[in-house]
Amino acid sequence: DGGITQSPKYLFRKEGQNVTLSCEQNLNHDAMYWYRQDPGQGLRLIYYSQIVNDFQKGDIAEGYSVSREKKESFPLTVTSAQKNPTAFYLCASSTPLGMASNQPQHFGDGTRLSIL
Amino acid sequence: AQSVTQPDIHITVSEGASLELRCNYSYGATPYLFWYVQSPGQGLQLLLKYFSGDTLVQGIKGFEAEFKRSQSSFNLRKPSVHWSDAAEYFCAVGTGGATNKLIFGTGTLLAVQP
Repeated sequence: DGGITQSPKYLFRKEGQNVTLSCEQNLNHDAMYWYRQDPGQGLRLIYYSQIVNDFQKGDIAEGYSVSREKKESFPLTVTSAQKNPTAFYLCASSTPLGMASNQPQHFGDGTRLSIL
Repeated sequence: AQSVTQPDIHITVSEGASLELRCNYSYGATPYLFWYVQSPGQGLQLLLKYFSGDTLVQGIKGFEAEFKRSQSSFNLRKPSVHWSDAAEYFCAVGTGGATNKLIFGTGTLLAVQP
């Protein structure tokens, strides 16, 4: 079955350390997204990519970086510059004209990141 | 600026009772509207969507939602709640076009009493 795979499910980060969250999709979607979820705040967009080798900052990009070298993969790096990284991170994908063609975003099961 | 408001942070209903979760949006153009459900520690699952046409949309798991342009609302309803419906529910508005982003509300946590 097609879907989005996020790994690991749980991740711990030490002070000053960069960590990378994996997101892989086999839905043949062009667009991919990273969201951060904190209790009581809903989901906030970190980065998104409409096509390979191109990505844009979302609303809370500071302290994060991404790459999009392959259509299937959109890894997120949480850098040491992100001072409050503890959160639940969700990856999503959709067709590039998702809304216009009535295709919503599909989500992975998330990665929970905690500080040691 | 676009925004979504879910005024109820937490709702408790009895099993078998009806349910209505409120959602209000602010968006200049015709909105693309969604309801997602999230079980603890899981990702989001799409319940239903509204793009155009009939303002009453049917979704999975017996849910429906009604788009009311005059009230800028997109409330989610279910006539009879099951214990398995306990979860967090998110309303979202899509920007469409080239950016294709979703703007989420802060969610409503539903508890179901036996």
